[in-house]
Amino acid sequence: AQRVTQPEKLLSVFKGAPVELKCNYSYSGSPELFWYVQYSRQRLQLLLRHISRESIKGFTADLNKGETSFHLKKPFAQEEDSAMYYCASTSGSARQLTFGSGTQLTVLP
Amino acid sequence: DAGVTQSPTHLIKTRGQQVTLRCSPKSGHDTVSWYQQALGQGPQFIFQYYEEEERQRGNFPDRFSGHQFPNYSSELNVNALLLGDSALYLCASSPGGPGNIQYFGAGTRLSVL
Repeated sequence: AQRVTQPEKLLSVFKGAPVELKCNYSYSGSPELFWYVQYSRQRLQLLLRHISRESIKGFTADLNKGETSFHLKKPFAQEEDSAMYYCASTSGSARQLTFGSGTQLTVLP
Repeated sequence: DAGVTQSPTHLIKTRGQQVTLRCSPKSGHDTVSWYQQALGQGPQFIFQYYEEEERQRGNFPDRFSGHQFPNYSSELNVNALLLGDSALYLCASSPGGPGNIQYFGAGTRLSVL
């Protein structure tokens, strides 16, 4: 079964500092990797997916198949980046999402 | 477009009771997935409906069942509620069958006393 691990439950950085949220996944076939974000009092929403290779809100994530990692990075954190971040992968015929337990990012002023 | 809508927002039940949660997918979406999110955890896949059939099921007991209607809306039913069923239940919809980006509703918070 797919497993997604986010080792940090809480992460605090100062505004303007770089931030990296870690995500590791168990290898099974060819998973697709995603980062979802949940801002305070808002619903879960897609931030980015690895096949798009986009930068969204200054965030990027590179799929490293050798290390089975999909870490989320931003060079200069902003206070509005404070949120809960979930890494997820797809599996099964229904391509259902398997989520990590999430990392609560707090960007301090 | 209202996006994915779920009802009710909050629900309180007692052990042994049955509950029905409802989901209306985003306009143009025909696939609905249900997830359970316990406190402090990421969402866990319950099952997915496409073309009014259950396509895939996660590791949940038969007490959890669902339905999809011709208009693509969906219901999640849970029988014989346990205290451990207390969680946020999320519905996600996607267009054109499995494999596309899933859009989430705000969820239904179920408390079992």
